[in-house]
Amino acid sequence: DGGITQSPKYLFRKEGQNVTLSCEQNLNHDAMYWYRQDPGQGLRLIYYSQIVNDFQKGDIAEGYSVSREKKESFPLTVTSAQKNPTAFYLCASTRVGLGGIQYFGAGTRLSVL
Amino acid sequence: GQQLNQSPQSMFIQEGEDVSMNCTSSSIFNTWLWYKQDPGEGPVLLIALYKAGELTSNGRLTAQFGITRKDSFLNISASIPSDVGIYFCAGQLPSSNTGKLIFGQGTTLQVKP
Repeated sequence: DGGITQSPKYLFRKEGQNVTLSCEQNLNHDAMYWYRQDPGQGLRLIYYSQIVNDFQKGDIAEGYSVSREKKESFPLTVTSAQKNPTAFYLCASTRVGLGGIQYFGAGTRLSVL
Repeated sequence: GQQLNQSPQSMFIQEGEDVSMNCTSSSIFNTWLWYKQDPGEGPVLLIALYKAGELTSNGRLTAQFGITRKDSFLNISASIPSDVGIYFCAGQLPSSNTGKLIFGQGTTLQVKP
């Protein structure tokens, strides 16, 4: 089945630790996005990438980093500089010709120990 | 970053009732999307709108692209328990060439059987 796979579903971070969230898609989409979701705040864009080896900061990039070495993969690292990392993280993808529609993974819930 | 104004923030209704929610913006959009998010999952597309005044239905759901291009409405008729979840509007600016979407804060719907 084609889709977007995020892993793990649940992740715990210790103080001072970097953690990486995985996002893989087999939809042959060019663009991929990372969002952070907090209660009552909707989805806020962290980073996005339109092509391999290129990515741009979104509205809340501080404390996060990404890479795009393969078209299918767009991992997000939550660094120790992110002081309030507890949230639900969503990955999405799209391509030209889909009318702006983004398709989402099932999300990763990150908590701080 | 810019966000859409979505209202109401939450609704608690009786099964069988109709539901109405809306999104407004100070900017003009050329695409309006409505998503539903089940608890602990990623958003799933319900309806996509591309033309001012467009009215589109998907089963018991009906959405409209406002004439001014600055707002959109979603109606759910004869609600059932599985309608429970968070509903998001999302818009795309005409100037966007990145595929970026701007999201509303979400409307949380609870249905009492």
